[in-house]
Amino acid sequence: KAGVTQTPRYLIKTRGQQVTLSCSPISGHRSVSWYQQTPGQGLQFLFEYFSETQRNKGNFPGRFSGRQFSNSRSEMNVSTLELGDSALYLCASSVRQGQPQHFGDGTRLSIL
Amino acid sequence: KQEVTQIPAALSVPEGENLVLNCSFTDSAIYNLQWFRQDPGKGLTSLLLIQSSQREQTSGRLNASLDKSSGRSTLYIAASQPGDSATYLCAGTWGTSYDKVIFGPGTSLSVIP
Repeated sequence: KAGVTQTPRYLIKTRGQQVTLSCSPISGHRSVSWYQQTPGQGLQFLFEYFSETQRNKGNFPGRFSGRQFSNSRSEMNVSTLELGDSALYLCASSVRQGQPQHFGDGTRLSIL
Repeated sequence: KQEVTQIPAALSVPEGENLVLNCSFTDSAIYNLQWFRQDPGKGLTSLLLIQSSQREQTSGRLNASLDKSSGRSTLYIAASQPGDSATYLCAGTWGTSYDKVIFGPGTSLSVIP
C-alpha cells in the first residue's frame, strides 16, 4: 500500500511569490492535515480537511490556505511568501478524525 | 494552554546502552500521547500510541509509559543500535481533532558504534 506522497520534495522561491504544495493520502484515507515544521517553532498544525471541507485551522495568517479534492488529494497554497515561511511542510492522512495519522516525507520550502 | 516539553534536546550514547527519553506536558486531561521518530529530511513515523486509560505500550525494544498525574511520559529504548539515531518527538492530544495535538520539540539521539 503506497504511503502519503508529497510533491515537490524541494522548492525554492523568492519573497512575494506564491507556492502550491501537493499531498496524496493513503488510499481510503479521507482526512488530510498539514503541518509546518521549523527549528524555532517546531511542528505546528496548519489545517485539516475531510471530505473536501476544512474542519480545523491552526493559528496561521490567511496567506496560508488549502483545499481537498473529491479523491482526497489535497493542496496547500501560500501567497505573498515571506522569509519566515521557509520550513518543512508535512502532510498527514488518516481514515478519520481521532485515528492515527500517517505522515509524508514533506516538502522543503526555502525562501530567498 | 497545553504545552509539551522534551529534555534533553540532544543525547549521545554508546551502542548497546539502554536509554530513556523524557516528555512532559502541562494538562493532565490528556486524551492520548504518541511517540514519533523523524529521520533527517523525512516525515514522522509513529512508534507508540498510549491512550489516556493506559499506563504503557510496548513494541519490540521500545516501551512507552504515561503518568497523567505527574504530566510525564517516557520512551525506553533497550539495547540501542546505530540505526536508532534519529529525532524522537512526543505529541499530546487533548481532544479528538488534530488541532488539539501539541508536539514537543524533540530529542535528537545519536547512538555511537
